[in-house]
Amino acid sequence: DTAVSQTPKYLVTQMGNDKSIKCEQNLGHDTMYWYKQDSKKFLKIMFSYNNKELIINETVPNRFSPKSPDKAHLNLHINSLELGDSAVYFCASSRGEFGYGYTFGSGTRLTVV
Amino acid sequence: SQKIEQNSEALNIQEGKTATLTCNYTNYSPAYLQWYRQDPGRGPVFLLLIRENEKEKRKERLKVTFDTTLKQSLFHITASQPADSATYLCALDQGGNTGKLIFGQGTTLQVKP
Repeated sequence: DTAVSQTPKYLVTQMGNDKSIKCEQNLGHDTMYWYKQDSKKFLKIMFSYNNKELIINETVPNRFSPKSPDKAHLNLHINSLELGDSAVYFCASSRGEFGYGYTFGSGTRLTVV
Repeated sequence: SQKIEQNSEALNIQEGKTATLTCNYTNYSPAYLQWYRQDPGRGPVFLLLIRENEKEKRKERLKVTFDTTLKQSLFHITASQPADSATYLCALDQGGNTGKLIFGQGTTLQVKP
């Protein structure tokens, strides 16, 4: 009964490739997020979707494109991968109302070689 | 510039003692402040939330204080146990329709038996 599930857990790929990470939540939450955690452990928000609509798009290269087919899914597609994209990517969801915590997935460790 | 600062050095304490972690921020006016726990290889797990008009919040052995004048939150774990060893992250939520949490870099707590 995983609340927020991401696949794959590990992803090793070569520079220049295109890859996708999938995320699904079964909590009935309205809002989903993508966060990036770098080697220094900082968690930075990348995107936020509310009911399939993009509401936050931080300063992220155009090579990153989120897609939300429905409010339970938020996928992340990355084109032309670069070495600097290596990080752990976390999907999260929340009720979208103020005053509630986020539920995070277990992360996808992306390594670009 | 906006900053959220947590002690980057690991905190080592003896089992049974109270652990106190600090979160300081500048140039933010958070409506809420949240604390999360992160274990190695896992996503952050929501622990507690405190609102700007609350001074203190408790949950079992956890206590959070929030001083908007000092721009600081303290996170306490009483009667600490080795199982409490993890990285603890504070996160600010400015409310409104920004819909995003801004995270500190976390403090690693090590509780020794």
